[in-house]
This record gives sequence, structure tokens and C-alpha cells, in this order.
Amino acid sequence: GAVVSQHPSWVICKSGTSVKIECRSLDFQATTMFWYRQFPKQSLMLMATSNEGSKATYEQGVEKDKFLINHASLTLSTLTVTSAHPEDSSFYICSARGAPAGDYEQYFGPGTRLTVT
Amino acid sequence: TQLLEQSPQFLSIQEGENLTVYCNSSSVFSSLQWYRQEPGEGPVLLVTVVTGGEVKKLKRLTFQFGDARKDSSLHITAAQPGDTGLYLCAGARHTGKLIFGQGTTLQVKP
Repeated sequence: GAVVSQHPSWVICKSGTSVKIECRSLDFQATTMFWYRQFPKQSLMLMATSNEGSKATYEQGVEKDKFLINHASLTLSTLTVTSAHPEDSSFYICSARGAPAGDYEQYFGPGTRLTVT
Repeated sequence: TQLLEQSPQFLSIQEGENLTVYCNSSSVFSSLQWYRQEPGEGPVLLVTVVTGGEVKKLKRLTFQFGDARKDSSLHITAAQPGDTGLYLCAGARHTGKLIFGQGTTLQVKP
């Protein structure tokens, strides 16, 4: 149980275009989903927290107009990187929390590798 | 400000050796999780510790949560090449957010 998927697993896009990444909880309802980015050989950096049906809460320094997050249902959250630039190239990972995972645990998706050329 | 200090950040050992990874903070966490991550994949949850002083064992891995719930350690006995990976500790806030340590890259040589 507690499986989280992401789509796509990797994407290459041209500078200036927008890219949407999906995060789905497959066997549980995710009341809260989190989006992280990770640079090579570094730890995860939290970008934003999204609760189903409400606006996402962004961490300091993360541009909400650039990284659009939508959590329209209890099993799906999306991250859209708008007007992508090469510096947005990174590994984006989502996590989900909710029954039956319990209050403490987040389960992570497999990540999406974004390369902006 | 890094709220959760993880050390060491890099560790290269021979198969069969023991090792300990530490996570320390001045803040109290409601729980602490340990993850293992392989290149190009998401972190996989190894264990969650909730109670101060708690010790959990997962085969050759032993996890300990400090009495004050500010620090934790991961001890691996008789490391194997399959243990190679990035180990991450993460402290949970009451808000549900996870604060990650810097990570420990472990390489176990055969």
C-alpha cells in the first residue's frame, strides 16, 4: 500500500515553454501533497504544500506564479513549471500524506527529471 | 538555516564494516523518518520513530530516536554493497512538513 506515482518520469522541454508534472496517490486518499526539488547529490528542498481543494502554501523563495500547483482531488496534484528556463532543470519529487499512511509519514513518488534546453 | 544536521555527508567503507549516521537538531520533532534513495528514484521510507528513546530494528539497520526527540541515529551492521545509496533523515513538524537533513551518501565496496 501507500504507492505514489509521478508522470512523466522524465521530460525535456525548450526554454520558455511550460511543463506539467502529475502526482497521484494510487491506493489511498492524500489529504496533503508536497512538492520538492532536488539537485544532484543534494537533499530534498520543499517547494510547496498543497491541501486538496485549497491554495498551495509556498516556501520562502519559491515563486508561486512560476510553479503552479493544483490539488483538485484527493488522489491528484499537479505542478506546472511555467516559462521554464535552464536553471529550472532539476529532479522534482512529490510526496503524499493521508490515510492509511497516518499522520506522520509521507510517501514519495519516483520523481520527474526535468531538463530545459 | 539548516535545522537538521546530518553527518557524515559522505562515507565510503568496505563490505562487512559497521557505520553510524547521525541527525542532530536544536528543535523538537513530532517524529523522525529515515529514507533511502537510489539515483534517479524517489526516497523510500525505511522507518518512522515517534517516541523519545525509541529504538527500531530493520534487519541489519538499527534506528534510535533521542530522549528529547531532537536527534536520531542510524546504525548499519556488517554493511553490504546493496546498502549503497543516499540516506536521508527528516524531522516532522506538527504542520506535517518534513525538514530534511543534508543526506549521507554511502558507498559500500565489495
